[in-house]
Amino acid sequence: QVQLVESGGGVVQPGRSLRLSCAASGFTFSGYAMHWVRQAPGKGLEWVAVISYDGSGKYYADSVKGRFTISRDSSKKMLFLQMNSLKFEDTAVYYCTKAPRGVIAAAGMNEVWGKGTLVSVSS
Amino acid sequence: SYVLTQPPSLSVAPGNTARITCRGDNVGSRRVHWYQQKPGQAPVLVIYYDDDRPSGIPERFSGSNSGNTATLIVSRVEAGDEADYHCQVWDGASDHQVFGGGTKLTVL
Repeated sequence: QVQLVESGGGVVQPGRSLRLSCAASGFTFSGYAMHWVRQAPGKGLEWVAVISYDGSGKYYADSVKGRFTISRDSSKKMLFLQMNSLKFEDTAVYYCTKAPRGVIAAAGMNEVWGKGTLVSVSS
Repeated sequence: SYVLTQPPSLSVAPGNTARITCRGDNVGSRRVHWYQQKPGQAPVLVIYYDDDRPSGIPERFSGSNSGNTATLIVSRVEAGDEADYHCQVWDGASDHQVFGGGTKLTVL
């Protein structure tokens, strides 16, 4: 069955960096776009970024643009989120999600979710 | 940027029907997706493309979308349906996903 497992979360000081990973299994990873979605404590869901099936297309929420970078390694079935210049307001559970298609224009849905990894930005 | 608005909470007695709304400018022209999130768990897709159900989701869950309002309908509500429900669309103008603020469904 489709499975997504996030890792790399933890406690980090403001201004520092962190890299999240998502291991995919149970489907042809190289054929699907992937998203990161986050949820601050007690708050709603916030979309973070999307990457196309081949990595050629990437889009970011305005709140993270210029600080976060989404990438993928299809040979290892891995999705990444490099987070730089972290702010207090980046504190959240970060979810990796699978889109239903490979191209971004048809990938605007979160078909399957991982369990998430918690990032806490604290001094 | 595009905005989706949901009521923060809704209470329904067991066996009754819950209708959770998601309002946005001409949202009827977009495809709406709905997620169920139980406490301490990741969200689960329960309705996609306005009114389609993923395999394994009970037929009690359905959806509609017209004009400025999309609605998730949960028929014959059970205690196990108590959860947060989030609506979501894709904004093609910005290539961003947009979520509503979420609705907490309480089963009385």
